[in-house]
Amino acid sequence: SQQGEEDPQALSIQEGENATMNCSYKTSINNLQWYRQNSGRGLVHLILIRSNEREKHSGRLRVTLDTSKKSSSLLITASRAADTASYFCARGRRALTFGSGTRLQVQP
Amino acid sequence: DAMVIQNPRYQVTQFGKPVTLSCSQTLNHNVMYWYQQKSSQAPKLLFHYYDKDFNNEADTPDNFQSRRPNTSFCFLDIRSPGLGDAAMYLCATSRGGQGAYEQYFGPGTRLTVT
Repeated sequence: SQQGEEDPQALSIQEGENATMNCSYKTSINNLQWYRQNSGRGLVHLILIRSNEREKHSGRLRVTLDTSKKSSSLLITASRAADTASYFCARGRRALTFGSGTRLQVQP
Repeated sequence: DAMVIQNPRYQVTQFGKPVTLSCSQTLNHNVMYWYQQKSSQAPKLLFHYYDKDFNNEADTPDNFQSRRPNTSFCFLDIRSPGLGDAAMYLCATSRGGQGAYEQYFGPGTRLTVT
């Protein structure tokens, strides 16, 4: 499959805890993006990390990229109930190929 | 200040009856995309327009067509919907150019086929 794989498929945590999601892919990349999707809605862009970057931060989000292992991770610190959503990694310059996604549930 | 607008939000059509979904943008982006997302699955790109240039994904069925009459609007036409075409259809836009850019998504149109 051209899709990347994400794990875990589902994650349930308590508010205030950190959440880590992982994305693996098979072909070389120039960049990787992460998106969030609330239930039944469109996707929202979170972070774009380029292949020459190892780590990127945005607020409570931290993304790492290891091109040698063909993997990336998204860390959400101090999670909130509003972070409950599905999270997808996506690769490609214009035509994006999305990973299978992680469904995150943050319990208040 | 809506940026990517999709109409309608919910569409019910009959098996085999042509249906058109619409998307408009206020971002003046060069590129417009159509994705299909089935329940609990990742979005799958159907095709995209870079300005007026149409780019079809290799595995997009012929049943799906698209039109982009101007920069702001893009349409998805499903010529003969089957039960398997029931899904959320997402429109997105991005800047053009050599680099990779974030995509801005609309809220989606949920298509039901009866």
